[in-house]
Amino acid sequence: QSALTQPASVSGSPGQSITISCTGTSSDVGNYDYVSWYQQHPGKAPKLMIYDVSNRPSGVSNRFSGSKSGNTASLTISGLQAEDEADYFCISYTSSNTRYVFGSGTTVTVL
Amino acid sequence: QVHLQQWGAGLLKPSETLSLTCGVFGGSLSGYYWSWIRQTPGKGLEWIGEIKVSGSSNYNPSLKTRISILLDTSKNQVSLDLSSVTAADTALYFCSRGSPNASDIWGQGTLVTVSS
Repeated sequence: QSALTQPASVSGSPGQSITISCTGTSSDVGNYDYVSWYQQHPGKAPKLMIYDVSNRPSGVSNRFSGSKSGNTASLTISGLQAEDEADYFCISYTSSNTRYVFGSGTTVTVL
Repeated sequence: QVHLQQWGAGLLKPSETLSLTCGVFGGSLSGYYWSWIRQTPGKGLEWIGEIKVSGSSNYNPSLKTRISILLDTSKNQVSLDLSSVTAADTALYFCSRGSPNASDIWGQGTLVTVSS
């Protein structure tokens, strides 16, 4: 039930910057600043990287940043490192009765 | 440091009830929503439901008739029961601590397989 659209994969070389988009609608991303981003390594629990569109939890590298424009939220990873290779997904609060909508997930590959 | 530890049966037959428990260690249940989320390779992530100590709860409408999410404040645990499971309920199940703006702590995940 991936209501938020993300690119299936994004890749970059070490040191480069990449951006992952998360496109929703005016019922979710466009209407609420409750967008969060998660990093997930295979077989592991997700880790919160960004909350409230652009806030970083304590302990998360400042190489990770978030933003939003209209119905699209974005996660930017700058200074790409090998350890950043993982799956990333977004979650948004929604006015629908499902409460939350999830992104389809993006696999980040460090070349 | 708060952490969540999940446990429960990983292999079920169709029509059985899925029962998972999430223990909350190093922190209180109060002040947060406690959620269950599942993940499958094909469908991705799906929100199951959430509950607060206050008693407020919200369930995914598509699963509502089969779900029970409870808090046990004496044991600092959150439980999920999902009745009448089918193969479509095969997934990796996570518990998490959160609020409308984010889930900041997640359990390790429990793989549940439904097969006859």
